[in-house]
Amino acid sequence: DADVTQTPRNRITKTGKRIMLECSQTKGHDRMYWYRQDPGLGLRLIYYSFDVKDINKGEISDGYSVSRQAQAKFSLSLESAIPNQTALYFCATSDSGGRSKRELFFGEGSRLTVL
Amino acid sequence: AQSVTQLDSQVPVFEEAPVELRCNYSSSVSVYLFWYVQYPNQGLQLLLKYLSGSTLVKGINGFEAEFNKSQTSFHLRKPSVHISDTAEYFCAVSTFSGGGADGLTFGKGTHLIIQP
Repeated sequence: DADVTQTPRNRITKTGKRIMLECSQTKGHDRMYWYRQDPGLGLRLIYYSFDVKDINKGEISDGYSVSRQAQAKFSLSLESAIPNQTALYFCATSDSGGRSKRELFFGEGSRLTVL
Repeated sequence: AQSVTQLDSQVPVFEEAPVELRCNYSSSVSVYLFWYVQYPNQGLQLLLKYLSGSTLVKGINGFEAEFNKSQTSFHLRKPSVHISDTAEYFCAVSTFSGGGADGLTFGKGTHLIIQP
């Protein structure tokens, strides 16, 4: 089983619909992140969370919201989806302690298409 | 704020030839540097990282990278590529600052295409 699991893996929706992407992890990490990937643009940070009570906006948070329901769960919501939110979304985790604290561990991605 | 520039969006290479994927960064403070690989239809996985110490870093699958502070570069190299190395490669940077935005800042990626 994957350490970082994203659901759904693929979703097609219509403009104006509310969408939630979910992420759960079994790595025991305290930090969780949401990135989006667009061709030719690399990965851009949407939101990040250092623990359950700490949520921070990233580079491109407009149009998105997040919820950290537990240390192991971090969901991303699009309240009213629009076509330019069509992208591949990645959840990632990291451990704030130890030498690996800066390394991110990624899920396999959620491909979202907004028509 | 830091930034990452991957100078080539696409690099075609013949199988068994050497390859270098270029990465330059900009930061006003000390940095950690990473290379990630993304195989088709998969997430990203770590190839190698530079945190401190020796500037030549060895990673998985025969890849290595050299941190050059004066050139603000972290180029990725492999002496002999295989068809299975076909993938998207991302350079990323994180600063020591600890405050403000965390996570990694990624470059736009380089698509490595291995030709038989």
